[in-house]
Amino acid sequence: AQKVTQAQTEISVVEKEDVTLDCVYETRDTTYYLFWYKQPPSGELVFLIRRNSFDEQNEISGRYSWNFQKSTSSFNFTITASQVVDSAVYFCALSDTFNTDKLIFGTGTRLQVFP
Amino acid sequence: GAVVSQHPSWVICKSGTSVKIECRSLDFQATTMFWYRQFPKQSLMLMATSNEGSKATYEQGVEKDKFLINHASLTLSTLTVTSAHPEDSSFYICSARDFREWNEQFFGPGTRLTVL
Repeated sequence: AQKVTQAQTEISVVEKEDVTLDCVYETRDTTYYLFWYKQPPSGELVFLIRRNSFDEQNEISGRYSWNFQKSTSSFNFTITASQVVDSAVYFCALSDTFNTDKLIFGTGTRLQVFP
Repeated sequence: GAVVSQHPSWVICKSGTSVKIECRSLDFQATTMFWYRQFPKQSLMLMATSNEGSKATYEQGVEKDKFLINHASLTLSTLTVTSAHPEDSSFYICSARDFREWNEQFFGPGTRLTVL
């Protein structure tokens, strides 16, 4: 069965601190996609990244970086020098098809960044 | 990226009434749209897959007679919550698949339903 686990329910940091959000997934498929979404208080889901199972290269986008480790089935997300605007719920998700048909979401991690 | 809208953004209704929520892809055609439900402080759960011109595919445990889905055009899918009850109060989010973007799913802003 497919499953996404985000063990951290809530994280609180002070501005400018670095923070890592953990994501562990389970799937029997060899081909799959992993995603991170941000959900600010407004509720709208904001797409952050998609990574396919064949690409284990880590990615950096500004203050955001992602570490994909197939050996540990993890896809962790790090925010460097966090800002108050980063406060949101972050969801990790898994899809097992090229067509991103069904997204299996983790339970989310609520990040609060205090000034 | 592609833009998906939802209407209304929030709705309050009395128990026993029906509520229709619209999901539109604004700048692309979407043969497939998805409907999710999110309870407070919980994750998103896929309710059904809406396919243009055919019946929706419901996830296990989702009552198809209670949550009616219609995908009559390539830019519009509707979710009707029939005979709503307080336990149907939730945040409903739709997404649309854009084939131009590697079939990526783009999410609407969500509709908050409160049933009194």
